[in-house]
Amino acid sequence: EPEVTQTPSHQVTQMGQEVILRCVPISNHLYFYWYRQILGQKVEFLVSFYNNEISEKSEIFDDQFSVERPDGSNFTLKIRSTKLEDSAMYFCASSPDRANTEAFFGQGTRLTVV
Amino acid sequence: SQKIEQNSEALNIQEGKTATLTCNYTNYSPAYLQWYRQDPGRGPVFLLLIRENEKEKRKERLKVTFDTTLKQSLFHITASQPADSATYLCALEAGGGNKLTFGTGTQLKVEL
Repeated sequence: EPEVTQTPSHQVTQMGQEVILRCVPISNHLYFYWYRQILGQKVEFLVSFYNNEISEKSEIFDDQFSVERPDGSNFTLKIRSTKLEDSAMYFCASSPDRANTEAFFGQGTRLTVV
Repeated sequence: SQKIEQNSEALNIQEGKTATLTCNYTNYSPAYLQWYRQDPGRGPVFLLLIRENEKEKRKERLKVTFDTTLKQSLFHITASQPADSATYLCALEAGGGNKLTFGTGTQLKVEL
């Protein structure tokens, strides 16, 4: 069964460093997302991406964050200068199209900023 | 302000019984509502989607109802099993952008 894959599963980084979280969405899906979940809290939307551009972003997704689809398969989230409060589980998700809106989530990358 | 509320207390039920989880929302007009399952340290897994013009949806032992007047969805698991133990999240899409807003989830524990 097709699935969304994320790497790495766990990333530890020093405050102020840049990190890139990687995702391979399901191949025929058109919508891509990043969500995050701080430990013990709810899943929060960060950004959606369609047709090679950001379609919507939350107030969390400030100038420190960027997304890219560098080739036909990868979808990345970059945090330019990490802060302690960026520590969270980051989930990539994809959806087939606008009519089929259920989201398929990856297993997540646990980001720990020290 | 917009809110999605799920019962924050854990729900413990006996194997074989029906579990009923509640999702209430305010200040949303969602085109659809979704339910996900999340196991510890894992990503959410899609279970069911119900649209605003649908009252009820079923899939195997799962049933979802959607009352746009009450602004409430109920999620039922019949003949529950210990393997159903997980956190269940409801999520709304409102605004046409496919962005999902999640509730805090309800932890379900099914005991033998």
